[in-house]
Amino acid sequence: QLQLQESGSGLVKPSQTLSLTCAVSGGSISSGGYSWSWIRQPPGKGLEWIGYIYHSGSTYYNPSLKSRVTISVDRSKNQFSLKLSSVTAADTAVYYCAKSYYEDAFDIWGQGTMVTVSS
Amino acid sequence: QPVLTQPPSSSASPGESARLTCTLPSDINVGSYNIYWYQQKPGSPPRYLLYYYSDSDKGQGSGVPSRFSGSKDASANTGILLISGLQSEDEADYYCMIWPSNALVFGGGTKLTVL
Repeated sequence: QLQLQESGSGLVKPSQTLSLTCAVSGGSISSGGYSWSWIRQPPGKGLEWIGYIYHSGSTYYNPSLKSRVTISVDRSKNQFSLKLSSVTAADTAVYYCAKSYYEDAFDIWGQGTMVTVSS
Repeated sequence: QPVLTQPPSSSASPGESARLTCTLPSDINVGSYNIYWYQQKPGSPPRYLLYYYSDSDKGQGSGVPSRFSGSKDASANTGILLISGLQSEDEADYYCMIWPSNALVFGGGTKLTVL
């Protein structure tokens, strides 16, 4: 059974870069057809898609965040990562990683990790 | 990016049915997209419930009871999640989602209260 686990800094200073990693277990990140996504949820608010990376390495980002987001894959460690630059308090949220098959349902989610942007 | 509109809240009594809606903007035809539905309870990640494209093209998430079903109202450009035989455990937030052209968007979510 494939599982995802987020990790990274829970506190980031304004203007700095948020960095998170999603470890994939129970399966290979290189499996054909899979896409690996980051989704966030500010406290008390709804879900916001950040972006995803295909097994091929192609990336797609939310236009509203595109200039600040980088998603990458480390196949040797079977994990993928999120970098969000120039963060502000508005980036405070629970960050989830999730898996889908191409552009299909997110059937596997990580438990989420809370990131607070504060000085 | 398009905006999917969901009523902020809905309520129904145990045993009744709840009909949750997800309205697409007028420039996006609901008939052209899979509508995905997720359930989220406090402190937990979202859980995939189902997708609906048409009566002949739909799917249920793993372990999701058949009392959760999807449909569309083309005249209202709306996707619908129907929950029949409501149970107290169905009290949660519900989100719809579509994938238009290499980008995806979530609705704002509906908080369902089981009275």
